Amino acid sequence: QKEVEQDPGPLSVPEGAIVSLNCTYSNSAFQYFMWYRQYSRKGPELLMYTYSSGNKEDGRFTAQVDKSSKYISLFIRDSQPSDSATYLCAMSSLYGGSQGNLIFGKGTKLSVKP
Amino acid sequence: DTAVSQTPKYLVTQMGNDKSIKCEQNLGHDTMYWYKQDSKKFLKIMFSYNNKELIINETVPNRFSPKSPDKAHLNLHINSLELGDSAVYFCASSQPSGSSYNEQFFGPGTRLTVL
Repeated sequence: QKEVEQDPGPLSVPEGAIVSLNCTYSNSAFQYFMWYRQYSRKGPELLMYTYSSGNKEDGRFTAQVDKSSKYISLFIRDSQPSDSATYLCAMSSLYGGSQGNLIFGKGTKLSVKP
Repeated sequence: DTAVSQTPKYLVTQMGNDKSIKCEQNLGHDTMYWYKQDSKKFLKIMFSYNNKELIINETVPNRFSPKSPDKAHLNLHINSLELGDSAVYFCASSQPSGSSYNEQFFGPGTRLTVL
């Protein structure tokens, strides 16, 4: 079993739809949970970051972490064509060796149609 | 102003050649990373340097050798290139994690194609 599992999609939705992206993980040492957005031919950029369990909201984006289920989600409300990108979940543990060692999911390619 | 820059952006070369990719960050960060993103978009860490010192070295063939001349630069040299090395290589930088997470800033990537 891979440490982080993410459905690669692709996911196609109409403009204005609510998008739900998810990742599951197996390593209970993960404490930090991130969502990165990667536009085509660009480097990933941090979208949301959550420590431990709970919800975090930033504009149209909501990140949720359920550590008991080892499951994280990213919700995008009122999706826009400009949200079309690949979304990568990433996780790291505070301890367990390497500083800042991010483990990424495979990414979900999202396309929002006008 | 570019925060993390990489050169070259594209690199096409023959099997068996040796090539280098350069990375520079102007964010004043102490930690720099190299990642490899394969054709399936899977992004995996290769190396991490903190203050010019190697702190992560994942299971990467020893044909790959990172070099950090100073805190702002982390170069990647690849010897005897193989077909399987074809990928996009991303450089990133951050402050050291310490007791909390610090955001990693990624460069634009170097698309390496080995023929």
